[in-house]
Amino acid sequence: AQSVAQPEDQVNVAEGNPLTVKCTYSVSGNPYLFWYVQYPNRGLQFLLKYITGDNLVKGSYGFEAEFNKSQTSFHLKKPSALVSDSALYFCAVRDSGAGSYQLTFGKGTKLSVIP
Amino acid sequence: KAGVTQTPRYLIKTRGQQVTLSCSPISGHRSVSWYQQTPGQGLQFLFEYFSETQRNKGNFPGRFSGRQFSNSRSEMNVSTLELGDSALYLCASSLSPDSYNEQFFGPGTRLTVL
Repeated sequence: AQSVAQPEDQVNVAEGNPLTVKCTYSVSGNPYLFWYVQYPNRGLQFLLKYITGDNLVKGSYGFEAEFNKSQTSFHLKKPSALVSDSALYFCAVRDSGAGSYQLTFGKGTKLSVIP
Repeated sequence: KAGVTQTPRYLIKTRGQQVTLSCSPISGHRSVSWYQQTPGQGLQFLFEYFSETQRNKGNFPGRFSGRQFSNSRSEMNVSTLELGDSALYLCASSLSPDSYNEQFFGPGTRLTVL
């Protein structure tokens, strides 16, 4: 079975500071990893994904994520946070070899960027 | 390109009733997935359709069902509604069910069961 853990329910960061939202995963095969963001009363928006190749993945709105196979982590990062980055962030995983297309999401991390 | 659309956006029903939610995927997308989002359980996978066939189903009772039409539009139905079915129901589409494809989400249907 595949699973995702987002250990922090909430992350607070000052505007202009770097931000990190943590994610760890568990799959039996190779992982396909995704980050999504959700603004209030909206659906999820795709930010970035790791499929294979370079461990550092760059995505939308200046976000990036680093895949670490040994630590089974896929943390989301941004060098300089904006107030408009305040939202709910979800990490998700698929097992590339399981034959199942089901995306498993973490519980989400609420990011608050303080002006 | 228009995004994923879901109708209706809001629904209020009473226990025991049934409800049908609709999803139109992005043009050219043939895979549609449904998720239930609640504060307590987070995002939970309901089912996925591709080429009018259900390919995968989450751990939900048989009261939850769905289908996909030849134009890739999808509907989900919940019968005999319970209070616990109150949630945001999200539809997502992707080009194909290949595991590496990201999904694009609609705004959701907010269902309230009284």
